[in-house]
Amino acid sequence: DADVTQTPRNRITKTGKRIMLECSQTKGHDRMYWYRQDPGLGLRLIYYSFDVKDINKGEISDGYSVSRQAQAKFSLSLESAIPNQTALYFCATSSIDGYTFGSGTRLTVV
Amino acid sequence: GEDVEQSLFLSVREGDSSVINCTYTDSSSTYLYWYKQEPGAGLQLLTYIFSNMDMKQDQRLTVLLNKKDKHLSLRIADTQTGDSAIYFCAEDSGGYNKLIFGAGTRLAVHP
Repeated sequence: DADVTQTPRNRITKTGKRIMLECSQTKGHDRMYWYRQDPGLGLRLIYYSFDVKDINKGEISDGYSVSRQAQAKFSLSLESAIPNQTALYFCATSSIDGYTFGSGTRLTVV
Repeated sequence: GEDVEQSLFLSVREGDSSVINCTYTDSSSTYLYWYKQEPGAGLQLLTYIFSNMDMKQDQRLTVLLNKKDKHLSLRIADTQTGDSAIYFCAEDSGGYNKLIFGAGTRLAVHP
């Protein structure tokens, strides 16, 4: 099994719908992150969490919310999806040993 | 704020060396990373360098760090078609706090 698992792998949703992207990890890391990737812009940080009680906004948090349900789980929600949220989303964890990324969720908002 | 910049595109001939450059602004960066992303795939960690090092070599990969100029480069020797991908530079300020990525350099290798 992958160390960092993202579900779903691909999703198409309609404008205005609520959608949740899920991330779970078996690394035992306290720190977890959500990034989005857009062509020509690289990966940009949406939210990050240093432990279950600590949630921080990244550079592009507008339109997103997160929930850290447990050390191993960090979910990203789009309350009302819009087309410019179409992107590839990555979850990651970190410790002093480095970062581990999930395989990504490709989200299309139509 | 923190910022990481890279040129967006590099084209090289198979067998030549590729040099991908990156500049960053955060002088407190502890680690600097290079990631590779092949088409339709996730991120693969290629290598990293600690901020108190000038150079790191790993087989065909050489990383050079000029901390004074906040400049990082990745050299790929004997570039092959399988090296065609997007390469991301990333900095980690303060040690595994969060990664700040550049926009990525698309490397195209032609015969």
